[in-house]
Amino acid sequence: ETGVTQTPRHLVMGMTNKKSLKCEQHLGHNAMYWYKQSAKKPLELMFVYNFKEQTENNSVPSRFSPECPNSSHLFLHLHTLQPEDSALYLCASSLRQGAGSIYEQYFGPGTRLTVT
Amino acid sequence: KQEVTQIPAALSVPEGENLVLNCSFTDSAIYNLQWFRQDPGKGLTSLLLIQSSQREQTSGRLNASLDKSSGRSTLYIAASQPGDSATYLCALSPDNYGQNFVFGPGTRLSVLP
Repeated sequence: ETGVTQTPRHLVMGMTNKKSLKCEQHLGHNAMYWYKQSAKKPLELMFVYNFKEQTENNSVPSRFSPECPNSSHLFLHLHTLQPEDSALYLCASSLRQGAGSIYEQYFGPGTRLTVT
Repeated sequence: KQEVTQIPAALSVPEGENLVLNCSFTDSAIYNLQWFRQDPGKGLTSLLLIQSSQREQTSGRLNASLDKSSGRSTLYIAASQPGDSATYLCALSPDNYGQNFVFGPGTRLSVLP
């Protein structure tokens, strides 16, 4: 256990559905991340939140909508997804002190998403 | 744009062998480099983190080195065991202010009993 939990672990959804992925960290970290891991592609950073503020959005389509209500929780809201969005979605957290001092990332187990 | 490669893509060794995994990057302006292992269908487990000012880090049978000038990092695994079988990924943090971590594609390691 890394101290980062994700629910659900598996999700199957149709292209017209709306669903949400949840991530929670119990490590006292102040930065949280969403990553996408597709088959045969390197891990891709999607969003970064520092101190609850979104600081990075790596050209992610608007059908993915992140939310960070506090420094311990992170959501990824999904709507009108495409089959190519099927992937393992990983959440991570780290400690960040001010503008620098980024410490190591801790990952959750991921949510395996299948879009039909 | 930072590009990260890992060679070999897959590696199979008999138990007990010492082995080296490689990570190469194109832009030497990095803040830190982190090595992870990933078991099939699971999340990533952090193994070692090397700050840009450091040359190496050690944890148990693992030793990671960093040579920024040549754009390389290596992960050395001593006396490999079947439990070491996993995919090993390296990831770079590009600078002191950004968090656009860039991951390599990974090396899939199989340690045979």
